[in-house]
Amino acid sequence: KAGVTQTPRYLIKTRGQQVTLSCSPISGHRSVSWYQQTPGQGLQFLFEYFSETQRNKGNFPGRFSGRQFSNSRSEMNVSTLELGDSALYLCASSLGMSGNTIYFGEGSWLTVV
Amino acid sequence: DAKTTQPTSMDCAEGRAANLPCNHSTISGNEYVYWYRQIHSQGPQYIIHGLKNNETNEMASLIITEDRKSSTLILPHATLRDTAVYYCIMTTDSWGKLQFGAGTQVVVTP
Repeated sequence: KAGVTQTPRYLIKTRGQQVTLSCSPISGHRSVSWYQQTPGQGLQFLFEYFSETQRNKGNFPGRFSGRQFSNSRSEMNVSTLELGDSALYLCASSLGMSGNTIYFGEGSWLTVV
Repeated sequence: DAKTTQPTSMDCAEGRAANLPCNHSTISGNEYVYWYRQIHSQGPQYIIHGLKNNETNEMASLIITEDRKSSTLILPHATLRDTAVYYCIMTTDSWGKLQFGAGTQVVVTP
């Protein structure tokens, strides 16, 4: 059974640009959530989607957005990149019900220069 | 979500059991205990989770106290590959909203 797949794994962007990251959940999983990990702030929740609807959102500025498609694949977008957006972005998927196991992908490393 | 308290670091000898404690005194009745570990900033790896009863799988055992205010993750026979940061997380939210703390840095030594 394939795990959570994130693309691209590594990317470098310039300040002011935008970036789109992609996540393919485990087959059958309808919930996809996104996290940002930085050395200073640790792992922080960005948002979560279930059946194409955003159900939860963390405390991030509006430059961070996401969406989920009918096949449960998800994308997140960061606009007007800042140096502080350099981080490991992690996607996780689950069936979306109470007590379900939540599985993480390997992440996308974003460097903003 | 309830907050958890974990030791900052722990050492464990290879081949011995590693017992990782976690305090969650404010846990509510419907909050689950989840454990993950992360190695070298790879994606967090799921270990185990539970609500009230003790749980065991091929990786570890989870012991939850009767009052549910604390739990212990047990790695029965630690190997060098178990060196990682271990996170104990409480959540009512099945919808992927995990609130990570700083975790416990576990170092397994030969």
